[in-house]
Amino acid sequence: AQSVTQLDSQVPVFEEAPVELRCNYSSSVSVYLFWYVQYPNQGLQLLLKYLSGSTLVESINGFEAEFNKSQTSFHLRKPSVHISDTAEYFCAVSGYSSASKIIFGSGTRLSIRP
Amino acid sequence: EAGVAQSPRYKIIEKRQSVAFWCNPISGHATLYWYQQILGQGPKLLIQFQNNGVVDDSQLPKDRFSAERLKGVDSTLKIQPAKLEDSAVYLCASSLRLNPSTDTQYFGPGTRLTVL
Repeated sequence: AQSVTQLDSQVPVFEEAPVELRCNYSSSVSVYLFWYVQYPNQGLQLLLKYLSGSTLVESINGFEAEFNKSQTSFHLRKPSVHISDTAEYFCAVSGYSSASKIIFGSGTRLSIRP
Repeated sequence: EAGVAQSPRYKIIEKRQSVAFWCNPISGHATLYWYQQILGQGPKLLIQFQNNGVVDDSQLPKDRFSAERLKGVDSTLKIQPAKLEDSAVYLCASSLRLNPSTDTQYFGPGTRLTVL
């Protein structure tokens, strides 16, 4: 079984500042990792995912996450945030099997101050 | 391309009443998921359908929750009778194929249920 821990429930940052949202996972098997984002009054949408290959994955809007197997982490980073990045971010994990379900963390609310 | 549709968006009921939620997935998507998201928590999978068959309902409280996906398209999730702890947002998602690990899931806006 897998589990996900998002250590910060809320992260306030100033606009144009860098941000890191932390995610640690636990699993006895190899995993896939995901970050989902939920903008205000919208549904969840996939931001980026790690399936295999390069441990650094990027999204189209400037976020990146690095899979660190030794530290069992998949932290999300952006060098300079914008007001439009205000949202709740969910880290998620699943096993390789097609029978595996996606397990979500409890979420981190990112609030951007002008 | 239309997204995943859900209705109603909001529902307030009293405990012991029944309630039903409806979901229309993206056209052509074989797999449909229902999640429960309690305030302050991440979504938790309740049930997964592949076409009109149930793939995983291990976390569905079957004494009060039921779901169906007739004809492998639309789906309904029912709670009867509702309890206070059922207050949550119920999310529907769909994906093109079966594998939830590698296939992107597309989520609807959710139904916010309040049980008084």
